[in-house]
Formats: sequence, C-alpha cells, structure tokens
Amino acid sequence: GDSVTQMEGPVTLSEEAFLTINCTYTATGYPSLFWYVQYPGEGLQLLLKATKADDKGSNKGFEATYRKETTSFHLEKGSVQVSDSAVYFCALSNYQLIWGAGTKLIIKP
Amino acid sequence: NAGVTQTPKFQVLKTGQSMTLQCAQDMNHNSMYWYRQDPGMGLRLIYYSASEGTTDKGEVPNGYNVSRLNKREFSLRLESAAPSQTSVYFCASSEVGQGWGSGANVLTFGAGSRLTVL
Repeated sequence: GDSVTQMEGPVTLSEEAFLTINCTYTATGYPSLFWYVQYPGEGLQLLLKATKADDKGSNKGFEATYRKETTSFHLEKGSVQVSDSAVYFCALSNYQLIWGAGTKLIIKP
Repeated sequence: NAGVTQTPKFQVLKTGQSMTLQCAQDMNHNSMYWYRQDPGMGLRLIYYSASEGTTDKGEVPNGYNVSRLNKREFSLRLESAAPSQTSVYFCASSEVGQGWGSGANVLTFGAGSRLTVL
C-alpha cells in the first residue's frame, strides 16, 4: 500500500541555517503531496502542496518539489528562524490520506 | 472565522468512564475526521465521515464510536475509557474526502483535545 517516510528528528539548527527535511513516498497512480506544520500546542495547518510531478509548492519561504523520478517531496528553506520551530508532517493523498511520522525541528538563536 | 472548534481542550478520566469529544466546523466542508496523535507515532485515523450521514472506520477504531450529527458536527465517544486511550485527539475537516487524489483534499484541523485516562 501507499506509504510516506520522513527523516527522523529532532533536527536542530542554528538561526539562518539552511533546512532540508527529507520525505519519500510509495504510491500507485498520481497522488497529491503535502507538507503540514504543527506549532507547539496547536493543530496541524497546511504549509504547502503539489498536485503533479515537477510542481513546486511554496509558502513562508519554504519550498518542496514533487519529484516523481525519485518519489520525493523534500522540504527546504534557505534561512530558518526561531519561529520555524515546530513539527513538520509530510502527507500524500491518493485513495486515502497517508501521513508521515513527523519531524521535530528546533531552531536555536 | 472559527474554522474547526473542539471541546473540551483537556480532560482527565478514570478507567471505565465515558465521555464525548465534540467537534464543529463552520466552513461548509463535506468530510470530517478524528485522529489521535501519540509520541513517535504521528497521526492515526480513528474514524472519518466522507459526507453527512456516513461514517467509516479508520486505522484505529476500537474503543471509539462516532456520530455525524449534521454537516457541521462530528462527535467522538469513548464508551469505557482505557489508559491506552491517553492521547491528543484532533478533529479535522475537508471540502472533499479521501480517495479523490486531488489537491483539494486539504484538511483544516482543530486545536486538539488532550485526554488522560488514569
């Protein structure tokens, strides 16, 4: 069946560092791919999405490109801030919605 | 602009007690979901309702029941709480349901309900 694998956390970076959180997937057909973010004490909220191969989703300085050849949707940001500290979830929507386990990101000033 | 509202935010139960988590959305979404979130296990789907009048089991339905009261409201009931049900519960809604494989299946989440069963 479909699955999503994210890099394990926590990921700890200094402010202004470059961020990559890896996400790979297994799916039949042509799923849509999502990144959600969960700030401390809150529910999840959509960060960005991509609905077809080579699409790039972007929001708040974060980007992810739907790579069908490598079945990946890695999340990147050029310069992280303390306020980016959160848990990030990769997900795919196909015949059902499948979630990754989440990656906790800690940004130190 | 409330979005998805869950009550209560916190609850402590004793083993064997029952309770209902309430969820309401004001976005005219068709589909609603209940998830639980446990450390190291990500999100697991308990039940979902693709549309008003329908409910289906998710990955971990045992020990829970749901009611889609109307288009806005979707409640989760624990009939006899167990310590294994200690978790953070999230309600969510979406315009379209699972299985559409489209970018329209974007979920809006509530703030969560933290339940502790002693």
